[in-house]
Amino acid sequence: EAGVVQSPRYKIIEKKQPVAFWCNPISGHNTLYWYLQNLGQGPELLIRYENEEAVDDSQLPKDRFSAERLKGVDSTLKIQPAELGDSAVYLCASSSRDRDNEQFFGPGTRLTVL
Amino acid sequence: GENVEQHPSTLSVQEGDSAVIKCTYSDSASNYFPWYKQELGKGPQLIIDIRSNVGEKKDQRIAVTLNKTAKHFSLHITETQPEDSAVYFCAASMTQGGSEKLVFGKGTKLTVNP
Repeated sequence: EAGVVQSPRYKIIEKKQPVAFWCNPISGHNTLYWYLQNLGQGPELLIRYENEEAVDDSQLPKDRFSAERLKGVDSTLKIQPAELGDSAVYLCASSSRDRDNEQFFGPGTRLTVL
Repeated sequence: GENVEQHPSTLSVQEGDSAVIKCTYSDSASNYFPWYKQELGKGPQLIIDIRSNVGEKKDQRIAVTLNKTAKHFSLHITETQPEDSAVYFCAASMTQGGSEKLVFGKGTKLTVNP
């Protein structure tokens, strides 16, 4: 079984530039999560999808962050414009009710904003 | 909302000794308590979890205990090995809409000295 795939693994951008992250969940997993992980901290949920519907985006800073999960499979997370404080690791995870909702994490995208 | 406190933030043990990490949570409605191991440059990986209908669960050298009355749970690793060195996160959640909304602790960096 292939794991959660994320790209790119690393991204360095200037502040005020846009950036996008891509996630391919484990096949058959209907739930997809985007987390933010600051250095030395635990992951914090940004948004949770059930199939193509965003069921919890209360922690997503909607003035600059957006996400989509077209067709209920792959997902993209976008930041526009990026700020210095957005430097962090962005993790994607997926889960399935058939697997007791265990969340499987991808390797993350490390974003550095200069 | 849920708040999870984790202690200690760093833990250093000799190979073969036991390691214990403790977490407390605030929301009595939480019913799922997973533990994740995160190695450098990788996403968190589930190592063990417990649901609120049991008090203890064991898997080889790893065990988790849960005290719902006191709202705390602990991870126990026995006979530690150098490859156990990593950052460990506890989390608490309640099932919402068929999936788990996890709130993570800040992590414990475990170092096992050979």
